[in-house]
Amino acid sequence: EADIYQTPRYLVIGTGKKITLECSQTMGHDKMYWYQQDPGMELHLIHYSYGVNSTEKGDLSSESTVSRIRTEHFPLTLESARPSHTSQYLCASSTLANYGYTFGSGTRLTVV
Amino acid sequence: AQKITQTQPGMFVQEKEAVTLDCTYDTSDPSYGLFWYKQPSSGEMIFLIYQGSYDQQNATEGRYSLNFQKARKSANLVISASQLGDSAMYFCAMRGDDYKLSFGAGTTVTVRA
Repeated sequence: EADIYQTPRYLVIGTGKKITLECSQTMGHDKMYWYQQDPGMELHLIHYSYGVNSTEKGDLSSESTVSRIRTEHFPLTLESARPSHTSQYLCASSTLANYGYTFGSGTRLTVV
Repeated sequence: AQKITQTQPGMFVQEKEAVTLDCTYDTSDPSYGLFWYKQPSSGEMIFLIYQGSYDQQNATEGRYSLNFQKARKSANLVISASQLGDSAMYFCAMRGDDYKLSFGAGTTVTVRA
């Protein structure tokens, strides 16, 4: 039973379209993260949040933006999708009291 | 800055045998956590095992054990009695004082019948 949900699971979209990848968690975790992963490659942190109204850019530069208006919700937006954005995007959450990180199932984005 | 190094891009192991996946790390944080995740072809990240930097004993979880050598900055994963379902990509990761999780490049494990 997943406690962190990502939608859509798969998305194929045309160049120039605006897209939002959804991530929600029901565990009350204060920290949330977005990772980008190309097939067979390592995960790169692109955004993170330590709580409501807190967002920071990660170690890998990304043209995407995020928001954290509610604790449980951490959407990622691409204003104008390009083929270079084709990748898997994984959302995760954690809490100070729990050293574990919970990952969503990921969104596989293809921009054509 | 944290750095995780996994030097084995791919490994083959016979069913029922043990396999060791190497991981070395570098950090200046006084306390940190080390993780191993399994990623099957479906793409989800499955948590396997955790080792805290101050833990005296090596972590074990079922068939998974973590060989933690702090002085050498290594955190190798041992999978005992390999099963066909263990075929996947395995990532070593580290959490520092900032609670960001950094990953290594991963090792692909293929279990042969």
